[in-house]
Amino acid sequence: NAGVTQTPKFRVLKTGQSMTLLCAQDMNHEYMYWYRQDPGMGLRLIHYSVGEGTTAKGEVPDGYNVSRLKKQNFLLGLESAAPSQTSVYFCALGDRGLYNEQFFGPGTRLTVL
Amino acid sequence: GQNIDQPTEMTATEGAIVQINCTYQTSGFNGLFWYQQHAGEAPTFLSYNVLDGLEEKGRFSSFLSRSKGYSYLLLKELQMKDSASYLCAVNMDSNYQLIWGAGTKLIIKP
Repeated sequence: NAGVTQTPKFRVLKTGQSMTLLCAQDMNHEYMYWYRQDPGMGLRLIHYSVGEGTTAKGEVPDGYNVSRLKKQNFLLGLESAAPSQTSVYFCALGDRGLYNEQFFGPGTRLTVL
Repeated sequence: GQNIDQPTEMTATEGAIVQINCTYQTSGFNGLFWYQQHAGEAPTFLSYNVLDGLEEKGRFSSFLSRSKGYSYLLLKELQMKDSASYLCAVNMDSNYQLIWGAGTKLIIKP
């Protein structure tokens, strides 16, 4: 996970509160992804970005917003948190080309009460 | 729709060999990944197959049959540290997204 950091590592929110998760990289990757991981389910893509200033919706985008104003940072926002958003959130990096191996950050464990 | 199936859990003995299967049905295919994830940690890359056949990397090997929509991960000489979840993911053609299986939890017993 060298070069990929996620802030914060843990957070507890009350229903209706807002927060922003930060993913920062120093690996110069073009693509960045936000996933959530829930027990018994595969990683699910929330939003992704293929470059600075661009974002796109993934499989489960509702209730989340993202921004990529700088290449190094990808922010995930929850405007009004709900208990269903309790999950572990992973940021991942990728690159242009057919291979598209993804490198994961350490994760953020979020609990919404 | 997209679908990836893996067994939920498997148990094996230290020193033995185990095969973890993955079947997929996706609208596109540009390669298949295997990742390892220890409890409480992030997934880490193990292998990538884009052509049919076997790819060997130390104690780990991965096999792909595109015509059958099937892959397996073979782990030899199992060690206790191999206790982890193993995630299968398909690299979809024409977009930048991976489709992930739910993962197989592998339990190694002494």
